[in-house]
Amino acid sequence: DSGVTQTPKHLITATGQRVTLRCSPRSGDLSVYWYQQSLDQGLQFLIQYYNGEERAKGNILERFSAQQFPDLHSELNLSSLELGDSALYFCASSPRLLKDFNTEAFFGQGTRLTVV
Amino acid sequence: AQKITQTQPGMFVQEKEAVTLDCTYDTSDPSYGLFWYKQPSSGEMIFLIYQGSYDQQNATEGRYSLNFQKARKSANLVISASQLGDSAMYFCAMRGNTGTASKLTFGTGTRLQVTL
Repeated sequence: DSGVTQTPKHLITATGQRVTLRCSPRSGDLSVYWYQQSLDQGLQFLIQYYNGEERAKGNILERFSAQQFPDLHSELNLSSLELGDSALYFCASSPRLLKDFNTEAFFGQGTRLTVV
Repeated sequence: AQKITQTQPGMFVQEKEAVTLDCTYDTSDPSYGLFWYKQPSSGEMIFLIYQGSYDQQNATEGRYSLNFQKARKSANLVISASQLGDSAMYFCAMRGNTGTASKLTFGTGTRLQVTL
């Protein structure tokens, strides 16, 4: 168990809908990362938050947004869903030293999103 | 920009044998970290091992060791005494140390199959 909790584990929804994925980082971790894993794109970095602030953006679509709350949990909102958004969405967390590149990121079990 | 290359889409190894999974990287960061993750069929991403760019010795964690050759920009994972439970996807990743962001960049992965 990595200590990172993601809910729900599975989600099936229709095109055009909106969903929210939730992530609770490991205790004490201030950094949260979101990744998308699809068969054709591999593991793509979406966005990073550190202590409530957005720190880095990757290949995140405008239809997607995220936030990190004061209790450090994070939510990834996906709207106007398309078939191509079907993927495994991971949340990862890292300890408090933002610039400490030698700290590993621990991943949650992922949310498998299926858009039908 | 950072790039990770894993040239082996799939590998087979017999139980109890050792196997090397290749990883090469490219970065302009003066210091960086290299990671290996395991993704079994259940989907979760499991952290295996870390190597810092300034570490003098190769990292080891149980049956996992990282063969780090800085001049060649390679960070191969060696799994000794393979077990059936080692069958999984393996991802090499790196994290640089620029700015305030510290995202992990992943390779495309190698699928390892351990046979009897």
